[in-house]
Amino acid sequence: DADVTQTPRNRITKTGKRIMLECSQTKGHDRMYWYRQDPGLGLRLIYYSFDVKDINKGEISDGYSVSRQAQAKFSLSLESAIPNQTALYFCATSDGGEETQYFGPGTRLLVL
Amino acid sequence: ELKVEQNPLFLSMQEEKNYTIYCNYSTTSDRLYWYRQDPGKSLESLFVLLSNGAVKQEGRLMASLDTKARLSTLHITAAVHDLSATYFCAVSPYNNNDMRFGAGTRLTVKP
Repeated sequence: DADVTQTPRNRITKTGKRIMLECSQTKGHDRMYWYRQDPGLGLRLIYYSFDVKDINKGEISDGYSVSRQAQAKFSLSLESAIPNQTALYFCATSDGGEETQYFGPGTRLLVL
Repeated sequence: ELKVEQNPLFLSMQEEKNYTIYCNYSTTSDRLYWYRQDPGKSLESLFVLLSNGAVKQEGRLMASLDTKARLSTLHITAAVHDLSATYFCAVSPYNNNDMRFGAGTRLTVKP
């Protein structure tokens, strides 16, 4: 089984809808991250969390919120989706040592 | 604000040739990472460089870090088709975990 899983893998939604992307991990890592990937822009950090009680904004947090329900679960919400949030979203975890990040398979989101 | 620039963004190589991808960053950092992404796939860690002068090698790939020049290189030796992918460098500012990625270098190795 994969160490970092994301659901759903693909999602189509309409402008104004609220959606949630979920991430679960079995690596036992405390640190979890949400990124979005757009063509030609690399990955940009949205939010990160170092433990259940610690949430930090990343480079592009506007329009997003997160919830760390447990060590193993980190959810990303779009409160009111807009078309420019169409992107590939990745969840990642790290162990707090060398901080190498382990990425989930990604969620492809299309906002119409 | 930390900026990370990779070049080239696109690289088409012939098999058996050598080439280097460059990653420049704009502020003090103590950690630099290289990742690989295959089309339609997730990112896979290649190297973690944690100190000035660090060099790491895996197969035909070698990464190095010069923190004074704020430069990392990923050198490809005798390229093979299996190395075709997009390569990203990522930098974490000193005492900060706001990871910043470069735009990626899309490498295509042709026979």
